[in-house]
Amino acid sequence: NAGVMQNPRHLVRRRGQEARLRCSPMKGHSHVYWYRQLPEEGLKFMVYLQKENIIDESGMPKERFSAEFPKEGPSILRIQQVVRGDSAAYFCASSLGQGAFNEKLFFGSGTQLSVL
Amino acid sequence: SQKIEQNSEALNIQEGKTATLTCNYTNYSPAYLQWYRQDPGRGPVFLLLIRENEKEKRKERLKVTFDTTLKQSLFHITASQPADSATYLCALGTAGNTGKLIFGQGTTLQVKP
Repeated sequence: NAGVMQNPRHLVRRRGQEARLRCSPMKGHSHVYWYRQLPEEGLKFMVYLQKENIIDESGMPKERFSAEFPKEGPSILRIQQVVRGDSAAYFCASSLGQGAFNEKLFFGSGTQLSVL
Repeated sequence: SQKIEQNSEALNIQEGKTATLTCNYTNYSPAYLQWYRQDPGRGPVFLLLIRENEKEKRKERLKVTFDTTLKQSLFHITASQPADSATYLCALGTAGNTGKLIFGQGTTLQVKP
């Protein structure tokens, strides 16, 4: 009965490289969310996906960032041409329903991205 | 501008006492509010959800209140234990923004034996 699985736990990239963060939701969950946590700041919503659909990407930077949740396989958060300001903890969460009202989010342990 | 604030200073209390954490917000009309616990290096863990039409919610040693007039939620841990030491996050959910939670920066609680 695994929870939300994220990998890798730690990712080190040099400026200009690409970062790919993976998230497998809890079994039976079809709603996935990505959040970013900067040091001394709260979690910030980035994107909400369902299988093969992006529902809300209002929190995601317009450039360099993309997310997908394919029919098969994990959700991927992709950051192209990383810069030092991208260094943060990236958390994935999943829910059974739409996350409204009576829906709680289940979070993974996060991926700590460090950009050198 | 919209703002959600939690006490930025750490809260230190003695074991057995009641811990009270505060979450204030401005320029939001949340449909519900959630509290999460986060340990170092881990993701948040859901604790309680309270809706806008509810005044109070309880779960074991935890109690949450929600005052939409004061725009404030209080989170209480009674008979606190050292194992309760963690960072506690409040999060607002607004109608129509399903799953898009707005988090406070968290308050760190330290319970001393």
